[in-house]
Amino acid sequence: GAVVSQHPSWVICKSGTSVKIECRSLDFQATTMFWYRQFPKQSLMLMATSNEGSKATYEQGVEKDKFLINHASLTLSTLTVTSAHPEDSSFYICSARAIGVYNEQFFGPGTRLTVL
Amino acid sequence: AQSVAQPEDQVNVAEGNPLTVKCTYSVSGNPYLFWYVQYPNRGLQFLLKYITGDNLVKGSYGFEAEFNKSQTSFHLKKPSALVSDSALYFCAVRVVFGSSNTGKLIFGQGTTLQVKP
Repeated sequence: GAVVSQHPSWVICKSGTSVKIECRSLDFQATTMFWYRQFPKQSLMLMATSNEGSKATYEQGVEKDKFLINHASLTLSTLTVTSAHPEDSSFYICSARAIGVYNEQFFGPGTRLTVL
Repeated sequence: AQSVAQPEDQVNVAEGNPLTVKCTYSVSGNPYLFWYVQYPNRGLQFLLKYITGDNLVKGSYGFEAEFNKSQTSFHLKKPSALVSDSALYFCAVRVVFGSSNTGKLIFGQGTTLQVKP
């Protein structure tokens, strides 16, 4: 149980286009999902926290208009990278926390984004 | 401010030998500590956590970690390393603000474990 999926697992896009990444909790309901960004051989940087049915809370320095997060249901959150540029190329990982469970997060497999 | 530090970028150990990956933390209040492992181009896999109770926590794949309050440490250990344990390991602390419990995790910078045959 407690599986989180991400789609796509990798994506290549042209500069200036937008890319949507989906994060789904497959066998549990997640009131809260987290989006992280990871550069090669570096730690995970929390980008934002999304709660179902409300606006995401972004970490300092993360552009809200560039990284659009939607958490429309208890099993799905999406991250849209708008007007992508090569510097947005990174590994994006989501995690999900089940309802009422504060001490456990389940991580997705990640999405590798390459912007040409 | 709450933070976690992993002082070693890389740990090398021979297969069959014990391994230790170090982690120290700084929190206000009671610490909630976690260890995760990441294989190349994959997400994070949960290994173990300390919330309360016994200082020695046992987790997945034979790993364990010892919570030491006086030294503010939470080192990851395994009695006998396997080549397949080679991966990137992250220590994390859960952020708690007063009564607010968002579940946010702050990660250490990661330690690459290399186990050689």
